Formats: sequence, structure tokens, C-alpha cells
Amino acid sequence: AQTVTQSQPEMSVQEAETVTLSCTYDTSESDYYLFWYKQPPSRQMILVIRQEAYKQQNATENRFSVNFQKAAKSFSLKISDSQLGDAAMYFCAYRSGRDQSNYQLIWGAGTKLIIKP
Amino acid sequence: ETGVTQTPRHLVMGMTNKKSLKCEQHLGHNAMYWYKQSAKKPLELMFVYNFKEQTENNSVPSRFSPECPNSSHLFLHLHTLQPEDSALYLCASSLGTSASYEQYFGPGTRLTVT
Repeated sequence: AQTVTQSQPEMSVQEAETVTLSCTYDTSESDYYLFWYKQPPSRQMILVIRQEAYKQQNATENRFSVNFQKAAKSFSLKISDSQLGDAAMYFCAYRSGRDQSNYQLIWGAGTKLIIKP
Repeated sequence: ETGVTQTPRHLVMGMTNKKSLKCEQHLGHNAMYWYKQSAKKPLELMFVYNFKEQTENNSVPSRFSPECPNSSHLFLHLHTLQPEDSALYLCASSLGTSASYEQYFGPGTRLTVT
């Protein structure tokens, strides 16, 4: 069974600096998707970035980028120029791409990101 | 604003009560989901509906009963709950159930069972 591990329950960063959130996963599959979701204090979960395992290029969305290391099964999220609005819980999630009917996202326990002004 | 709304936002109920959670999506999606989010635990998928048909019941106790009258509405009927059922219940929707489709989440209902 697939698992997702976020080893950092909480991280803090100074505003305008860069922070990296770690995520590792375990799978025997070669076709899968990885996601980072953000859940601000208002609680609405929002997709931040996604990565298809077959793509070697790391995904980037503005100030958010990932470091996808397939062999190491690592999927870290880098947030550049941190802003106060980035404060939230961040969840890493995995989904198999092999079976199109298997729509279960496997979630990590989350990392709480604190932005210091 | 993701287009997924949930009511009520907060609910306190006794173990003998019957209540319902409501989710509505305005995105034209065909798949809807119920998740349970407990403190310091990963999200747990409870139910999945695709084109109004239940396609997943993730070993959820029968005291939770979902209903999907159409692709835009999803309910979670609650009865004789236990205190350990206290959690944030999140609804989500997606265009389809394929892995390539993003799930859009509602703000959640904070449920407290006394």
C-alpha cells in the first residue's frame, strides 16, 4: 500500500525568505501523480501544485516549485519570497495513475507553515 | 472561491440526534467526495459519487449515510454518532474521477459530538 510521510509537523520562515517542506512517499508503481495542497486557517483546501511522475521536469507555479526525486521517492515543496498569506497547513498527496478507477488520494499528515513578519 | 459550499459550517450534536451535512458545487462537476479530517491525522476518504452513483465506500460505519440526488448536491446524514466522530468534514468535487482532474474543496463543517 502506498504511504505519504511529512516529517515536519511545523515549520516557520521569515517573511520574504525561502522555505522547503519535505514529503516522502512509498509506492511500487511507476505511474502516479503527486500534489501539494494548502489549507489556510479559513479551512478551504486549495491545490498549490501537481507533478506527474512521468515528467522529469519539476513543476513550478509562480513562487511555488517542487523538487521531485523519483528514485528517492521525495517530493519537496519550495516556497520563495514567503508572504503572510502563505501561512497555512500544507498537505502532500499521492494518487495512482495506473488504474483510472482508483481515485483515492493518499494524504500526508500535514505541515503547519508559520510566516514571521 | 472554489465554487463548493458546505452548510452548516459548525454543528454540535448529541449522540442520539439526527442531522445532515449539505454540500453543493457550482462548477459543473460530475464527481463528489466526502472526507473526514481529524487533528494530526491524514485526510480520510469516506465516500465517492460519480454521476450520482456511489463508487466508493471506504469502510465507513453505517451511522454515516450519504445521499447524492444530483451531480451538484451531496448530503451526509448522521445518526447515533460517537464522540470520536467529531472532526472537520470536507466535501470536494472534480470534473471526473480520473487522476488528472483536480479536486476542489469546500470550507468544511466542524462537527462536535457531545
